[in-house]
Amino acid sequence: DGGITQSPKYLFRKEGQNVTLSCEQNLNHDAMYWYRQDPGQGLRLIYYSQIVNDFQKGDIAEGYSVSREKKESFPLTVTSAQKNPTAFYLCASSQQGTYGYTFGSGTRLTVV
Amino acid sequence: QQQVKQSPQSLIVQKGGIPIINCAYENTAFDYFPWYQQFPGKGPALLIAIRPDVSEKKEGRFTISFNKSAKQFSLHIMDSQPGDSATYFCAALSQETSGSRLTFGEGTQLTVNP
Repeated sequence: DGGITQSPKYLFRKEGQNVTLSCEQNLNHDAMYWYRQDPGQGLRLIYYSQIVNDFQKGDIAEGYSVSREKKESFPLTVTSAQKNPTAFYLCASSQQGTYGYTFGSGTRLTVV
Repeated sequence: QQQVKQSPQSLIVQKGGIPIINCAYENTAFDYFPWYQQFPGKGPALLIAIRPDVSEKKEGRFTISFNKSAKQFSLHIMDSQPGDSATYFCAALSQETSGSRLTFGEGTQLTVNP
């Protein structure tokens, strides 16, 4: 089955540590996205990438970094510079020229 | 910068009722308006979508009404069921030089009581 795999489902980290969230897709989609979800705020765009080795900042990129070395992979690093990293993180992908986004099941990050 | 405003934040209806969720947007460059359904602990799933040149679209019990001049659109759920209890997000897609971007509303938590 084609889809998006996010791992791990739950992640706990100590404050001040960097952490990397994994996102892999086997849909052969060109574009990939990272969103952050907080209660009452909807989904906010962190970073997105249309092609390999290229990505753009979204609305809340500060404190995050990404890479796109392979078409199927788009890992997100939450750095110690992110002031409030505890949230539900969602990865999505879409095919260029189409409108539908496919989402993964998310990673819930808790920083203590 | 919130470009898509969604209301209400939460909604409770009885089984068989017709919940209505409203969204308003500002950016006239948006060219696609999807609705997503999200269950707890899961990612959002596309429910139904509309283009701005269409005023209404129905898929099963779900209907989108679109008012281009008012820059508003809404989701109606006919004959709602307890299984429809979820969080619903409206969204709007814009095409930019760097690629397409989907902007979401704040979400509506719907509860359908049996």
